[in-house]
Amino acid sequence: QVQLQESGPGLVKPSETLSLACTVSGDSVSSSHYYWAWIRQPPGKELEWLAYIYYNGGTNYNPSVKSRVTISLDTSKSQFSLKLTSVTAADTAVYYCATTYSGYEYFHQWGQGTLVTVSS
Amino acid sequence: QSVLTQPPSVSGAPGQRVTISCSGSSSNIGSRYNVHWYQQLPGAAPKLLISDNSNRPSGVPDRFSGSKSGTSASLAITGLQAEDEADYYCQSYDRSLSGYVFGTGTKVTVL
Repeated sequence: QVQLQESGPGLVKPSETLSLACTVSGDSVSSSHYYWAWIRQPPGKELEWLAYIYYNGGTNYNPSVKSRVTISLDTSKSQFSLKLTSVTAADTAVYYCATTYSGYEYFHQWGQGTLVTVSS
Repeated sequence: QSVLTQPPSVSGAPGQRVTISCSGSSSNIGSRYNVHWYQQLPGAAPKLLISDNSNRPSGVPDRFSGSKSGTSASLAITGLQAEDEADYYCQSYDRSLSGYVFGTGTKVTVL
């Protein structure tokens, strides 16, 4: 079974770039069986899907962050990553990496989440 | 801003039945897209509870059931237990956004 683990800085300054990585174990990040995604949850608020990437590099982004976000794969490290530019306090959230089976629409496995605070 | 609307909270006594609604539109639930449900215990990541409207993944008690009709869906918990106290989220796909959408979330309280 696939396991996911987020990593990255817990504090980012306003206007800077938030960078997170998700390490995948239990299967290959290059597998065609999965889509890899990032989802966030501001404190006390609902979940928001941000982006997903497929093994062939195909991507899709939430229009709410599309101009600021990039998702990528690093097969050598068995990771996929998220970069969010020009962050503000509104980007403070727990960031989760998650996965769906190819052809399905639900997230069957999630990382534990990592809290990122945007503050000077 | 969530595309799917849920009641902020529902409550019930142990053993009772509670239901959570999830209201969408013709671009998500009302289309061919399925509805999925997640349980989020305090301080934990969401966990898949119901997939494809009514399917329970292995290990999920049969006290949990889901259904979909028109542009709405619902999650029912029968025989409510103290361990069911959590936040619950519905999720679907939206063709207008070309992406995944979540509900506003419902907090279940066991009285």
